[in-house]
Amino acid sequence: DAKTTQPPSMDCAEGRAANLPCNHSTISGNEYVYWYRQIHSQGPQYIIHGLKNNETNEMASLIITEDRKSSTLILPHATLRDTAVYYCIVLSNDYKLSFGAGTTVTVRA
Amino acid sequence: NAGVTQTPKFRVLKTGQSMTLLCAQDMNHEYMYWYRQDPGMGLRLIHYSVGEGTTAKGEVPDGYNVSRLKKQNFLLGLESAAPSQTSVYFCASRTSGVREQFFGPGTRLTVL
Repeated sequence: DAKTTQPPSMDCAEGRAANLPCNHSTISGNEYVYWYRQIHSQGPQYIIHGLKNNETNEMASLIITEDRKSSTLILPHATLRDTAVYYCIVLSNDYKLSFGAGTTVTVRA
Repeated sequence: NAGVTQTPKFRVLKTGQSMTLLCAQDMNHEYMYWYRQDPGMGLRLIHYSVGEGTTAKGEVPDGYNVSRLKKQNFLLGLESAAPSQTSVYFCASRTSGVREQFFGPGTRLTVL
């Protein structure tokens, strides 16, 4: 399974965009990049996923580099409620999620 | 839709006691998963099920057993609890052909 590397923490000002990087240099051609977040010990919440192309939904945007070795999750207008641990996951072919330590994002007023 | 629910929310056990955690989903999902999360760490897969009557081992299965007698329920059992099993347990489910997993609120278990 491809492993991911994320910074352990980052701060963001409320109302500004938050850009969360993730490295996955060993990703295989048919493996997807998934992002989940976990707010204060609640169950993880799905955010977005992608394979090759950039993706956008009501929560976030996902930018995947052309070589697919890294990606960036963008929260366009961070709010205090976006404070959470964000997990970047490369989904294995058997669809099993493998969580790392994630990035703790703190949004400050 | 209640989504994924877990019972109980909190539990304290003594070493050697047994208990069962219940996960229920009302979305008619085929796949169900049990994870544990230790402080400051990500979730680790304990066991999972790809359908009623089936179970399979995940990353950290030792000390746990599971059963999926009904499609909507996935039970996680601890036969003889140990302090190392103190953790928060999350259940998740998904439907076939869709990779997104839906998570329950968690069960916080303390083993003394």
